[in-house]
Amino acid sequence: AQSVTQLGSHVSVSEGALVLLRCNYSSSVPPYLFWYVQYPNQGLQLLLKYTSAATLVKGINGFEAEFKKSETSFHLTKPSAHMSDAAEYFCAVTSKAAGNKLTFGGGTRVLVKP
Amino acid sequence: EPEVTQTPSHQVTQMGQEVILRCVPISNHLYFYWYRQILGQKVEFLVSFYNNEISEKSEIFDDQFSVERPDGSNFTLKIRSTKLEDSAMYFCASSEGTGVTGELFFGEGSRLTVL
Repeated sequence: AQSVTQLGSHVSVSEGALVLLRCNYSSSVPPYLFWYVQYPNQGLQLLLKYTSAATLVKGINGFEAEFKKSETSFHLTKPSAHMSDAAEYFCAVTSKAAGNKLTFGGGTRVLVKP
Repeated sequence: EPEVTQTPSHQVTQMGQEVILRCVPISNHLYFYWYRQILGQKVEFLVSFYNNEISEKSEIFDDQFSVERPDGSNFTLKIRSTKLEDSAMYFCASSEGTGVTGELFFGEGSRLTVL
């Protein structure tokens, strides 16, 4: 079985400050890891994904995430927050064996203060 | 840019009524999915569909749920007799493949409210 834990259901950052969203996973097989973003009244949009290639993954809108197997983590970062980054962010895991059945974390809602 | 579209965006229904949620996946995609998110809870997998049949379903997807692809474009989720606990946001998704190439594209969701 696979699972994802996102630490912090709400994160508040100042505009221009570092954004760090934490994700830890559990998987008995090599995982594929994803970060999705959900803006208000919109669907889930893929930010970036790790699929066993480079451990540092760059995504859209300046976000990146690093896969650390020893820490079973896939934390999402952005060096400088923008007001438009206010949204809910979901970490998800799957595996080759699981096909495209994603297991999601609980989500982290990001508030950006001016 | 191709996108997954869902209708209705919001539906209110009485307990015991049948509901059909509709989705138009991206046209060249072969794999289709329904997920749901109960308010304040995680997004949960319901069912995956490929080659006109269910490929996997979760424990949530019991006999009151069904899916079908009635024509070449629509993918529907039917709830036969809705319960209060079916109130949730339902997301449709599609993908071209699975595994490494299997990026899921999600629709904007259909919010179901059961009274």
